[in-house]
Amino acid sequence: EAQVTQNPRYLITVTGKKLTVTCSQNMNHEYMSWYRQDPGLGLRQIYYSMNVEVTDKGDVPEGYKVSRKEKRNFPLILESPSPNQTSLYFCASSLSTWGETQYFGPGTRLLVL
Amino acid sequence: GENVEQHPSTLSVQEGDSAVIKCTYSDSASNYFPWYKQELGKRPQLIIDIRSNVGEKKDQRIAVTLNKTAKHFSLHITETQPEDSAVYFCASLYDKVIFGPGTSLSVIP
Repeated sequence: EAQVTQNPRYLITVTGKKLTVTCSQNMNHEYMSWYRQDPGLGLRQIYYSMNVEVTDKGDVPEGYKVSRKEKRNFPLILESPSPNQTSLYFCASSLSTWGETQYFGPGTRLLVL
Repeated sequence: GENVEQHPSTLSVQEGDSAVIKCTYSDSASNYFPWYKQELGKRPQLIIDIRSNVGEKKDQRIAVTLNKTAKHFSLHITETQPEDSAVYFCASLYDKVIFGPGTSLSVIP
């Protein structure tokens, strides 16, 4: 089954404790992206990747890192999480960036205390 | 920076009535305009999209119109049903995708 998976789905952590949220897709998509969703703000892009070893900042990249060593995986790293990073995070992938449907993962709900 | 405005933020309609959600984008280079539906606790899912070389697209009860000159695009849902209740997001895309803030649609039986 074609899908985007994220892990963990729920995470409670404390300020400053490094964490990684994994994202994987099995559709051979070139384009992958991370979003955060906050009430009243919609979805805001954190980082995106157009292919292996190619990543770029979205609208709200501060406090986040990503890597794209393999085509299928695009982990999101919070080196030193802070309470303002409490949010719902979605990973998404598409065949390419140019006008292609984005398929979203199930979401990761993060609470930083 | 580039942005997408979306109105209204909340919308309540009676079952069977039509619903219209409007978006305005700022990046004149945008060439792809998808609409996503997000049910409570679920992930966003594409319901319809339109490209810049098309003015209107319809899929059963859902239609989208695009006015590139005015940089407006709209979602039209006819004969609304309770299962249409959700948050709807518009987006515009050129090299980055920018989402609108969302419209919470409630269809009252």
